[in-house]
Amino acid sequence: AQSVTQLDSHVSVSEGTPVLLRCNYSSSYSPSLFWYVQHPNKGLQLLLKYTSAATLVKGINGFEAEFKKSETSFHLTKPSAHMSDAAEYFCVVSDRGTYKYIFGTGTRLKVLA
Amino acid sequence: EAQVTQNPRYLITVTGKKLTVTCSQNMNHEYMSWYRQDPGLGLRQIYYSMNVEVTDKGDVPEGYKVSRKEKRNFPLILESPSPNQTSLYFCASSFKTTSGGHNEQFFGPGTRLTVL
Repeated sequence: AQSVTQLDSHVSVSEGTPVLLRCNYSSSYSPSLFWYVQHPNKGLQLLLKYTSAATLVKGINGFEAEFKKSETSFHLTKPSAHMSDAAEYFCVVSDRGTYKYIFGTGTRLKVLA
Repeated sequence: EAQVTQNPRYLITVTGKKLTVTCSQNMNHEYMSWYRQDPGLGLRQIYYSMNVEVTDKGDVPEGYKVSRKEKRNFPLILESPSPNQTSLYFCASSFKTTSGGHNEQFFGPGTRLTVL
């Protein structure tokens, strides 16, 4: 069975400092993993995805994530936060061979000036 | 412009009054899906469709129906809405892969439903 846990419901960082949003997953098979971002009152936009190619995945707006099978983690990072990064972020897992997508409960990122 | 559209964007209704939320995509995607978003719960998958006439239940299908008669459309039907179906609903679509992995889903703008 697949599941995903986002370890922090809220994260606050100062502008210009690094961002770390944590995600752990459980999967019976080789998973596909995604990070989506949702800005206030907007739809969802893909930041990046892992589908069994390189374990370090680069996405849009300077975000990246590393797939660590031994730790069942897929944490999202960015070296320097920008005010426009303030949003809610969702980690998503889907087992290979299934068409079910499991979303985490989300992490709300606040960026302080 | 490639997009997923949903209608209506906002809907207030009363318990028991049947309603349909439409979803349409213009990207020729095989895969379509419906989600509901509730505070603190993230998005939960209601139903999905791998292609025309092929649908399956997600994690929270109770109280909902879907159909996929055409590739571009995937309506969500609430035959007898109840207050616990008050939520923000998203439709999404993507290309299906043959390798078993998954492609990016493109999301609609959302439909905010209130059931009184």
